[in-house]
Amino acid sequence: NAGVMQNPRHLVRRRGQEARLRCSPMKGHSHVYWYRQLPEEGLKFMVYLQKENIIDESGMPKERFSAEFPKEGPSILRIQQVVRGDSAAYFCASSLDFYSGNTIYFGEGSWLTVV
Amino acid sequence: QQQVKQSPQSLIVQKGGISIINCAYENTAFDYFPWYQQFPGKGPALLIAIRPDVSEKKEGRFTISFNKSAKQFSLHIMDSQPGDSATYFCAARHAGNMLTFGGGTRLMVKP
Repeated sequence: NAGVMQNPRHLVRRRGQEARLRCSPMKGHSHVYWYRQLPEEGLKFMVYLQKENIIDESGMPKERFSAEFPKEGPSILRIQQVVRGDSAAYFCASSLDFYSGNTIYFGEGSWLTVV
Repeated sequence: QQQVKQSPQSLIVQKGGISIINCAYENTAFDYFPWYQQFPGKGPALLIAIRPDVSEKKEGRFTISFNKSAKQFSLHIMDSQPGDSATYFCAARHAGNMLTFGGGTRLMVKP
């Protein structure tokens, strides 16, 4: 069983460029979560998605950040016009459904560096 | 009110000793309390979890103690090993399936 797959694992972008992070949930999972981890800090919730729906985006910055989870294909976290403060590890997690969300599995993360 | 406070920030334990990490929360709506282990460059891996209707849960060398009235819970690692050296995060789940994480504890187990 493949776990939560994230790519790229490492991404370097210049200020002002766009970053796209992809996440394929565990097989059969239809709930996806994105978290951000700044250096030496805990993970902070960003957004919770189901297929074609955003359930909760209360942790997403209001500007430049967007997320989607289309009917087909991986979930995408998109950061436009990146700034140095966006440098962080971005983790995707998935669960089978809301009720089994007790077990939320994390991917290995995508490390974004903005230069 | 959504915060989870974790202490200590770092911990050094001798091999064979007991590692204890503490967390406290305010939001009584939290209904599930997992602990995650994270190695450098890796994602968090679920270690052990507890619900608030249980005061203690043990899995191998790992034990969670939960004090609902004090709104505190802790992770005990018995017979700590160098391979346990990692960062440990407590978390709490609330409505909408989101996890609120503590700030993390960097554990080093000396051989």
